Amino acid sequence: QVQLVESGGGVVQPGGSLTLSCAASGFTFSGYGMHWVRQAPDKGLEWVAFIRYDASNKYYGDSVKGRFTVSRDNAKNTVYLQMNNLGTADTAVYSCAKDKGSSTGSFDYWGQGTLVTVSS
Amino acid sequence: DIQLTQSPSFLSASVGDRVTITCRASQGISSYLAWYQQQPGKAPKLLIYTASTLQSGVPSRFSGSGSGTEFTLTISSLQPEDFATYYCQQVDSYPLTFGGGTKVEIK
Repeated sequence: QVQLVESGGGVVQPGGSLTLSCAASGFTFSGYGMHWVRQAPDKGLEWVAFIRYDASNKYYGDSVKGRFTVSRDNAKNTVYLQMNNLGTADTAVYSCAKDKGSSTGSFDYWGQGTLVTVSS
Repeated sequence: DIQLTQSPSFLSASVGDRVTITCRASQGISSYLAWYQQQPGKAPKLLIYTASTLQSGVPSRFSGSGSGTEFTLTISSLQPEDFATYYCQQVDSYPLTFGGGTKVEIK
């Protein structure tokens, strides 16, 4: 069965950096686009980033563009989110999600998420 | 960016009720809309994609309709496990965006 397991969350000071990982299993990882989505405490869903199955295209949400970088290693079945210059508004649970196809934009599987807390 | 406005943001209903949630897009998105259900403490679950296509394994009491700028999610007969928050999402163009959510609670 499809599994997505995020790791790398934690507490970081404002202006700091963090890299999240999402380990995938149960499907042909190299054939699907992958997304990152976040949810601040008691708030709604916010799409963060997308990487195409072959990493040929990457897109970012307006609030993270220029600060976050998405990447993937198809040999390790893992997608990453490097986050720089973090601010308190970035505090959220970050989840990776599998695209239904190469780039449909719909997410058919989600991980449980990893909490990132930006605080001094 | 495309903005999505969901209404209502909160609704109270009883088991067996027919429930309709509306999602309006700030510009036309054809049928490029998805609906998700999120139960407390759980990851969201895809219910509907391309506005009206039921995701595999989702009960048939869920249905979606609409195109262009106005969309609806309908639950024909609300079940206890349906009390959750529902989100629409446009997949027409990047950046992808979500509606603000509709929380369905037990009356």
